[in-house]
Amino acid sequence: NAGVMQNPRHLVRRRGQEARLRCSPMKGHSHVYWYRQLPEEGLKFMVYLQKENIIDESGMPKERFSAEFPKEGPSILRIQQVVRGDSAAYFCASSAQADYGYTFGSGTRLTVV
Amino acid sequence: KQEVTQIPAALSVPEGENLVLNCSFTDSAIYNLQWFRQDPGKGLTSLLLIQSSQREQTSGRLNASLDKSSGRSTLYIAASQPGDSATYLCAVVNTDKLIFGTGTRLQVFP
Repeated sequence: NAGVMQNPRHLVRRRGQEARLRCSPMKGHSHVYWYRQLPEEGLKFMVYLQKENIIDESGMPKERFSAEFPKEGPSILRIQQVVRGDSAAYFCASSAQADYGYTFGSGTRLTVV
Repeated sequence: KQEVTQIPAALSVPEGENLVLNCSFTDSAIYNLQWFRQDPGKGLTSLLLIQSSQREQTSGRLNASLDKSSGRSTLYIAASQPGDSATYLCAVVNTDKLIFGTGTRLQVFP
């Protein structure tokens, strides 16, 4: 069991470019969550998805950010027109049931230059 | 709105000490509580999961307790070791997501 796989581990983007972060949940897990950790801050919830559905996106910035979890393939967190303030570690978690037993990936560290 | 607070924010102790890390939450209507460890520049490792109907969970030198009515959890680390140095995060499940605390940064020196 490979656990929650995130790639890339590190991503550097210039201001104005797009960033795509991928997350493959643990085998058998159909619930995916994205969190953001700004430097020297705690983890903040962004979005909760199940296959083909966004369940809760209350933590997502209103503009430039989107997430999907298609029927086939990994979950994608997409940030358009990145700005320096988007530099952070982005973590994905998955669970077999809602509200129970989250497993986290190693994160993607995004640096915007 | 659920808020999770952890004290102390930082702790530095000599090897061998027994430690208590505290976590408090404002809304007692939680489904469960999970303690994580995060090493610098790394992801999160789950340490213990306590369901809302449980009072405590144990794993090796770690013991976590939960008092839902008072909105508190404690993580007890016995006989601390330098390898325990990390940030410890408490998180509660409210409705459909984990809400994280601010973390306790622990350093255990030889």
